[in-house]
Amino acid sequence: AQTVTQSQPEMSVQEAETVTLSCTYDTSESDYYLFWYKQPPSRQMILVIRQEAYKQQNATENRFSVNFQKAAKSFSLKISDSQLGDAAMYFCAYRIRFVSGNMLTFGGGTRLMVKP
Amino acid sequence: DTGVSQNPRHKITKRGQNVTFRCDPISEHNRLYWYRQTLGQGPEFLTYFQNEAQLEKSRLLSDRFSAERPKGSFSTLEIQRTEQGDSAMYLCASRSGQGHSPLHFGNGTRLTVT
Repeated sequence: AQTVTQSQPEMSVQEAETVTLSCTYDTSESDYYLFWYKQPPSRQMILVIRQEAYKQQNATENRFSVNFQKAAKSFSLKISDSQLGDAAMYFCAYRIRFVSGNMLTFGGGTRLMVKP
Repeated sequence: DTGVSQNPRHKITKRGQNVTFRCDPISEHNRLYWYRQTLGQGPEFLTYFQNEAQLEKSRLLSDRFSAERPKGSFSTLEIQRTEQGDSAMYLCASRSGQGHSPLHFGNGTRLTVT
């Protein structure tokens, strides 16, 4: 079974600073996707960034970037120039490619607080 | 694109009662998922539909739970004889059939069983 582990229940960052959220996963598959989702308080979960396992280049979306280490099964999220609106729960998630359903397996989440 | 819509937003029920939640996915999405999220945890997969066919069910989905997606459009999730342990946020998500397409989540239905 696949598992996703987020070892940081809470993180705090000063506005405009950079923060890195950690994620590790366990799988025997070689072809999969990794995701970071953001869930603001009382609001819906939205996709932040996606990484295909077959791509060596780390994904980047504006202030968000990932450090994907396939051999180490590590997938961290870096948020640069943190903004107050970045405060939320962040979930790392995994999905096998080419499998019926392709359901996501989520980690337990990291609560990010942004200090003004 | 009006997003994934879930109703009701909140439901409070007494133990032993039946409840039903509704999810309206994004119209062109043929894949629909139900997840359960307890406080402070990540969502856990419950079940998956491709069009009207229910193709996957988690072991979390006991026989008190049933889900349908008639005509491959909206979906309902029913919980019979609710228990306090059923209290959670029930999330619906949908996506298109393209392998790399992301899940789009609704706002969820928060169930409280008293």
